[in-house]
Amino acid sequence: DGGITQSPKYLFRKEGQNVTLSCEQNLNHDAMYWYRQDPGQGLRLIYYSQIVNDFQKGDIAEGYSVSREKKESFPLTVTSAQKNPTAFYLCASSGGQIDEQYFGPGTRLTVT
Amino acid sequence: GQQLNQSPQSMFIQEGEDVSMNCTSSSIFNTWLWYKQDPGEGPVLLIALYKAGELTSNGRLTAQFGITRKDSFLNISASIPSDVGIYFCAGQTNAGGTSYGKLTFGQGTILTVHP
Repeated sequence: DGGITQSPKYLFRKEGQNVTLSCEQNLNHDAMYWYRQDPGQGLRLIYYSQIVNDFQKGDIAEGYSVSREKKESFPLTVTSAQKNPTAFYLCASSGGQIDEQYFGPGTRLTVT
Repeated sequence: GQQLNQSPQSMFIQEGEDVSMNCTSSSIFNTWLWYKQDPGEGPVLLIALYKAGELTSNGRLTAQFGITRKDSFLNISASIPSDVGIYFCAGQTNAGGTSYGKLTFGQGTILTVHP
């Protein structure tokens, strides 16, 4: 089956720890994206990548880092510098400049 | 930055009723997308619109790309309980460069359907 996988579904961390969220796609899409969703709000773009070894900051990149070493993978690290990391994180991919974005199932991160 | 206003914020309807929601923008978009999100899941694409004035249907769903390219609406006919969820509009510009593929999302419409 083609699709986007995110793991784990739920993640718990202590404040001050870095944590890496996984996103893998087998859709052969060039572009991948990370969004953050808070309760009652829409999605906000954290980072995106158009091609391997290249990525751009989105609207709320502070406190986050990414890498794109493989076309299939776009991991997101939530660093200790992110002041309010508890949220629902969504990964998406698209196949071209005007192609639709398809989303993974999300990872709910709770930091205490 | 670009802003999308989605309304209504929430709707409570009876099964069988029709539903309408819309999004307006202060800026022009090249593409409008409508997504549905179930609790704790990722959004699922419902309809994509690429041309001003375009009217597209997907089963009981109908969406239109406004003539001004600054608005879009989604209609759901004869609602059923599984229509429950959050519906998001999203506008996309493809100006190239750093705007590549970026979506701007509305705040969402929470739909509740009473059997």
